[in-house]
Amino acid sequence: GQQVMQIPQYQHVQEGEDFTTYCNSSTTLSNIQWYKQRPGGHPVFLIQLVKSGEVKKQKRLTFQFGEAKKNSSLHITATQTTDVGTYFCAGRVGNYGQNFVFGPGTRLSVLP
Amino acid sequence: NAGVMQNPRHLVRRRGQEARLRCSPMKGHSHVYWYRQLPEEGLKFMVYLQKENIIDESGMPKERFSAEFPKEGPSILRIQQVVRGDSAAYFCASSPLAVRVGYEQYFGPGTRLTVT
Repeated sequence: GQQVMQIPQYQHVQEGEDFTTYCNSSTTLSNIQWYKQRPGGHPVFLIQLVKSGEVKKQKRLTFQFGEAKKNSSLHITATQTTDVGTYFCAGRVGNYGQNFVFGPGTRLSVLP
Repeated sequence: NAGVMQNPRHLVRRRGQEARLRCSPMKGHSHVYWYRQLPEEGLKFMVYLQKENIIDESGMPKERFSAEFPKEGPSILRIQQVVRGDSAAYFCASSPLAVRVGYEQYFGPGTRLTVT
């Protein structure tokens, strides 16, 4: 079955440092979504990427979708303590499939 | 427009009892998804429902688990004869009518189930 992997599992950074998490799929994805979950909270949608090679930015966050549509990355510039949480990617196979497969997440800690 | 609502937020059950988890999707959303999350793990898809129909239950254990989304009222995830391994956070998400290329899922606050 389809597998979605994320690395690293954990990342500890000093406030102000950059952070990147990588998402890799065993199969080609029709689109990919990123979610953030704060400790004790629920996943919150961040962004969706659809096109091969697509790059989207949200303030300090940059999202990329690989050319082969099998990998994606989330980069945070100059982390802040409010960035703390677990970042999940979720990939969908096929245009009519209804289910997203979530990666295991990358847990980010930001030290002040 | 209220978000996705789940209740109860916390549920404690003894082994062998039944657990009923409720999810009210956002207004106008007719697609509901249930996920299970173990501590410090990712989200595992369980079941996808539209009004009165189960579309995909491939992630749901064959025994003891069932889900419904009636014409009126919330979606319900039911776990019979709970065991300690059922202890987890159960999240419900909803989305509007599916479009061709992806859609955003809005998650509820989750129900934390503890089996003692």
